[in-house]
Amino acid sequence: DQQVKQNSPSLSVQEGRISILNCDYTNSMFDYFLWYKKYPAEGPTFLISISSIKDKNEDGRFTVFLNKSAKHLSLHIVPSQPGDSAVYFCAASSGYSSASKIIFGSGTRLSIRP
Amino acid sequence: DTEVTQTPKHLVMGMTNKKSLKCEQHMGHRAMYWYKQKAKKPPELMFVYSYEKLSINESVPSRFSPECPNSSLLNLHLHALQPEDSALYLCASSQVSSPREQYFGPGTRLTVT
Repeated sequence: DQQVKQNSPSLSVQEGRISILNCDYTNSMFDYFLWYKKYPAEGPTFLISISSIKDKNEDGRFTVFLNKSAKHLSLHIVPSQPGDSAVYFCAASSGYSSASKIIFGSGTRLSIRP
Repeated sequence: DTEVTQTPKHLVMGMTNKKSLKCEQHMGHRAMYWYKQKAKKPPELMFVYSYEKLSINESVPSRFSPECPNSSLLNLHLHALQPEDSALYLCASSQVSSPREQYFGPGTRLTVT
């Protein structure tokens, strides 16, 4: 049973426009959410995160929105750039300790077209 | 240095072989992780080490044996693997103060023949 779901396996967006990647989760115990970006032949790279006590977190061109009642989060990238083409993983975690278990979604492949 | 390194990049082994994967970080992180990623699937957690002690084992078969000899190094010893164990093995590390923001290495692509 997937606790973190990314229902769109791929997304194509024109350069300069907004990219919106979506993620749903089922476990109400999750209290921290992350987005990772992955290029081919590289490991995932941490992009941005949000705690469950917030509904928005912004870092430059990247903004993550959290809707706890809907168990939904989204990543907005604006403006989209060619270097943003990658696989994006949504991830979630619950509880806090010195080391944490992260559950990843299946990923969305974002392609930025010129 | 904000890098997690993994060696080797690629490994092909037979089902009777014994091999080891190595992961190293010099960021002072005291939590280290092993993940397994199959093609077109998300990374799945295998093991977590906190302060050089095994804290999480996600019911991984005993043919995978992790080891954390010091705070910078994490090994994964492999023995009697099956072809279905072929995957990308990712190592990650994190600060104790931000355990959920994990830094990943590039992975070792393992093929079991």
